[in-house]
Amino acid sequence: GAGVSQSPRYKVAKRGQDVALRCDPISGHVSLFWYQQALGQGPEFLTYFQNEAQLDKSGLPSDRFFAERPEGSVSTLKIQRTQQEDSAVYLCASSPRTSRPSNEQFFGPGTRLTVL
Amino acid sequence: DAKTTQPPSMDCAEGRAANLPCNHSTISGNEYVYWYRQIHSQGPQYIIHGLKNNETNEMASLIITEDRKSSTLILPHATLRDTAVYYCIVRATGGGNKLTFGTGTQLKVEL
Repeated sequence: GAGVSQSPRYKVAKRGQDVALRCDPISGHVSLFWYQQALGQGPEFLTYFQNEAQLDKSGLPSDRFFAERPEGSVSTLKIQRTQQEDSAVYLCASSPRTSRPSNEQFFGPGTRLTVL
Repeated sequence: DAKTTQPPSMDCAEGRAANLPCNHSTISGNEYVYWYRQIHSQGPQYIIHGLKNNETNEMASLIITEDRKSSTLILPHATLRDTAVYYCIVRATGGGNKLTFGTGTQLKVEL
């Protein structure tokens, strides 16, 4: 079946522009995560949704970052007034709701954002 | 979540076993050990997880020491396609638990 998809795969923005990054999770997956990965580093958690509810946004670096998942499926990560330090790969992951320990997260290919 | 320590890089000859170590000396009783890997330009991929018993699946084996303070991921017959960054992650279970990645181990499999 289809995995997690993200669009666009690459985005170049001028400093100060707003951007919107889309994530299509695996159908039926309840949990959705956003991560930010700077060059040469491991991914860092940004925010988590369970269905349409944003239950954890502790990783969002500033109030310029905003995420939503209004119908509990597709999610959008929006960055306002982009800065050069926002340049990174943004990864989306989804996970089925399960109480089992094997609660693996399925990752998309990421969106590489470059802010000039 | 407990912090993990991994070597930054390792090399392995194709066809040989790759043994990737991880230290997690502050692991607590309800925390599992997870391994993910990230091939260049792709998202991370789940490999295996365990609590205290050794585990094996079609991809790898996970050996956890009796005191649970360290573990080893074993790829029994490494191929060139196993070249990737391998992340050892310790976390409690649950649908909402985020993954805390470190910098991982860059495994390079060579001919």
